[in-house]
Amino acid sequence: GAVVSQHPSWVICKSGTSVKIECRSLDFQATTMFWYRQFPKQSLMLMATSNEGSKATYEQGVEKDKFLINHASLTLSTLTVTSAHPEDSSFYICSARWGGEETQYFGPGTRLLVL
Amino acid sequence: GENVEQHPSTLSVQEGDSAVIKCTYSDSASNYFPWYKQELGKRPQLIIDIRSNVGEKKDQRIAVTLNKTAKHFSLHITETQPEDSAVYFCAASSRSGGGADGLTFGKGTHLIIQP
Repeated sequence: GAVVSQHPSWVICKSGTSVKIECRSLDFQATTMFWYRQFPKQSLMLMATSNEGSKATYEQGVEKDKFLINHASLTLSTLTVTSAHPEDSSFYICSARWGGEETQYFGPGTRLLVL
Repeated sequence: GENVEQHPSTLSVQEGDSAVIKCTYSDSASNYFPWYKQELGKRPQLIIDIRSNVGEKKDQRIAVTLNKTAKHFSLHITETQPEDSAVYFCAASSRSGGGADGLTFGKGTHLIIQP
């Protein structure tokens, strides 16, 4: 149980374009989803927290107008990287949890390369 | 905000020996401390976690200890095997007040098991 999927697994795009990444909880209702970013050989950094039906909470230094997060249902959250630039190239990983549980289950990640 | 320090950054041990990874945290409100194993290009996998009302937890070859007073926690792996080779991350979070929050990760430890 507790399976989280992400789509796409990797994406290459041109600078200036927008990219949407989906995160789905397959076998549970995710009341909260998180988006992390991981640069090569570095740790995971929390970008934002999203609760179903409400606006996402962004961490300090993360531009909310650049990284649009939508959590429209209990099984789906999307991250849209708008006007992507090469420095946005990274591994984006979502996680999800339900109710009062602390345990977060991670998706397989999406590798973004902006040319 | 929370700050998690992790040491060492690289740890090489002989197969069959024990490995210990240590982390400290700064926020006394943190009450949940998971450990994740991440293989190259893969998602983080939860291997064990501990909550602040417990001092020690064990699961077969893996154990975690928590010292709330000193604000540090450690991962212990006994009888190491080649498949234990990976990057290990400690993390901390606080669920006080029922608010949604993400994990603050340490920088990771690259564990190398020498055959």
